[in-house]
Amino acid sequence: GENVEQHPSTLSVQEGDSAVIKCTYSDSASNYFPWYKQELGKRPQLIIDIRSNVGEKKDQRIAVTLNKTAKHFSLHITETQPEDSAVYFCAASKSSGDKLTFGTGTRLAVRP
Amino acid sequence: DARVTQTPRHKVTEMGQEVTMRCQPILGHNTVFWYRQTMMQGLELLAYFRNRAPLDDSGMPKDRFSAEMPDATLATLKIQPSEPRDSAVYFCASGLGGVGVGTQYFGPGTRLLVL
Repeated sequence: GENVEQHPSTLSVQEGDSAVIKCTYSDSASNYFPWYKQELGKRPQLIIDIRSNVGEKKDQRIAVTLNKTAKHFSLHITETQPEDSAVYFCAASKSSGDKLTFGTGTRLAVRP
Repeated sequence: DARVTQTPRHKVTEMGQEVTMRCQPILGHNTVFWYRQTMMQGLELLAYFRNRAPLDDSGMPKDRFSAEMPDATLATLKIQPSEPRDSAVYFCASGLGGVGVGTQYFGPGTRLLVL
């Protein structure tokens, strides 16, 4: 089955700096890669996703890049703010309606 | 703003008791997922349904866990008998199955503590 590895497990940045979280996956058939943000005690919420027919997608301060050849994808957050502090999960699946395999999460702390 | 709902939000029970968790998917979504989240194991898929039919329950301990969809608006996850190691947050998520459509939206979760 699919295996998703996520790094780093914790990340601390100064407000205004950028944060990068990286994931690798094992199943070359995977073609849908969402990112979820989970605040303490809350549900995971989708923040951005990418499908294998594109290499990069951007939404304001958040961007995701995908390298299908190397089987890795990354989340980039620019101009970080304290409210970006949360746990971020990457995931992979064979289609957007199929089961997701999650990474182990990255705890991001943005220092004011 | 349509959302997945789950009940109860919190449950404290004693070992050996039956626990039933309920989920109402977003109207029109045909795929329902059950996940369990713990500090040690992260987010694990327990089972999922499409058009009310179970597609995969390989992540679920079959001897004590069962999942059903009595109708398109209700999914249930049952643990009988419960054990302390079942303590976790159980999330339901729903989405539209099929290539190139939809994604998964999570409910608020049921926080289960088995004493």
